[in-house]
Amino acid sequence: DVKVTQSSRYLVKRTGEKVFLECVQDMDHENMFWYRQDPGLGLRLIYFSYDVKMKEKGDIPEGYSVSREKKERFSLILESASTNQTSMYLCASSFVSGDQPQHFGDGTRLSIL
Amino acid sequence: AQTVTQSQPEMSVQEAETVTLSCTYDTSENNYYLFWYKQPPSRQMILVIRQEAYKQQNATENRFSVNFQKAAKSFSLKISDSQLGDTAMYFCAFMRNNNDMRFGAGTRLTVKP
Repeated sequence: DVKVTQSSRYLVKRTGEKVFLECVQDMDHENMFWYRQDPGLGLRLIYFSYDVKMKEKGDIPEGYSVSREKKERFSLILESASTNQTSMYLCASSFVSGDQPQHFGDGTRLSIL
Repeated sequence: AQTVTQSQPEMSVQEAETVTLSCTYDTSENNYYLFWYKQPPSRQMILVIRQEAYKQQNATENRFSVNFQKAAKSFSLKISDSQLGDTAMYFCAFMRNNNDMRFGAGTRLTVKP
């Protein structure tokens, strides 16, 4: 089975802090994704990566950056956390073949105080 | 841009009965993929069923089936013989060949004993 592991289930940080969310997958997937999930809005794509050191902006990249130094690991960075970034963050991965579904981690519920 | 609409924020069904969740989408693409994901209270998103747009036959997975109407851009999910474990958020998703996936806002389904 595909395993996508997010480093934290719950995280509480303060406004202005730099926050790192980590995601690791064990299926040698080329693609990795970061979403945020908010009630009534579904999942919105923040960034995705289709290869090591490659990244593409999604629909809501403002206030975020990402890092992919190794194929299995994709990090989401909140450069200076703000209260409007309080949300559920989901990581996903998939093979590059166009018909492959995404596999998700358990999510990180991030609260910015 | 592709959009996915789930018009039912919440639904409920009695155990053992059948329920249908609605999803419509908007695209100018001819080749694409559609998915239903389930997110139980434990939060991990799980793939329920998928449909390739070029296939006319509706996909079926055990108690889960879809009604895919390409011309109408409709992709509904039918759950037969509902079980308590089906209680979850259900997300409809659209994906083009480039792995760019778009999600609806979700439908919260409650199965009542």
